[in-house]
Amino acid sequence: DAGITQSPRHKVTETGTPVTLRCHQTENHRYMYWYRQDPGHGLRLIHYSYGVKDTDKGEVSDGYSVSRSKTEDFLLTLESATSSQTSVYFCAISESRTYEQYFGPGTRLTVT
Amino acid sequence: QQQVKQSPQSLIVQKGGISIINCAYENTAFDYFPWYQQFPGKGPALLIAIRPDVSEKKEGRFTISFNKSAKQFSLHIMDSQPGDSATYFCAASNTGANNLFFGTGTRLTVIP
Repeated sequence: DAGITQSPRHKVTETGTPVTLRCHQTENHRYMYWYRQDPGHGLRLIHYSYGVKDTDKGEVSDGYSVSRSKTEDFLLTLESATSSQTSVYFCAISESRTYEQYFGPGTRLTVT
Repeated sequence: QQQVKQSPQSLIVQKGGISIINCAYENTAFDYFPWYQQFPGKGPALLIAIRPDVSEKKEGRFTISFNKSAKQFSLHIMDSQPGDSATYFCAASNTGANNLFFGTGTRLTVIP
């Protein structure tokens, strides 16, 4: 998985609780992304980062925030988890805007 | 609104046969079209990608055919093998954007 780890790999949480997912890369790539994968929707971009402290929204960013304080780490936070955020979350990295994105192993999140 | 439409949703092919997965798009600004392969419990892995300056790209048993005028592209898997059984996603993006728009996926099963 191209030097990308995600933690935790599985998480069950209750509605209304905050949740933070972590993506860690060892490739020193500039760009990092968070996607969610849902049946019937493929993968959809939540947020992305184009450098330390530089982030922007994707197409499904409502209810999510991100932070990147180091090149290697990109955090995704659900401030108050809802059942609609039950999904599989993937982190991806790319070296440049040449579009070759490489994905991590994913985090399965269940919000009860 | 799904930016990239993928079909079929599922596909069953005999070993040695040809698997064909089709995708269509509307945004004429798209200029990068990758295909990803995903095994259960794993992240999507970049399989092959094409840009619209060529109509076909081949890598081993995998071929992308691209029809710019029809705004369609397809993945052909020649001599399909049971190990090719996975979910395949097409995607599209355009220069200057950071968003990969994914199709909804095709679950391929290759039977011995």
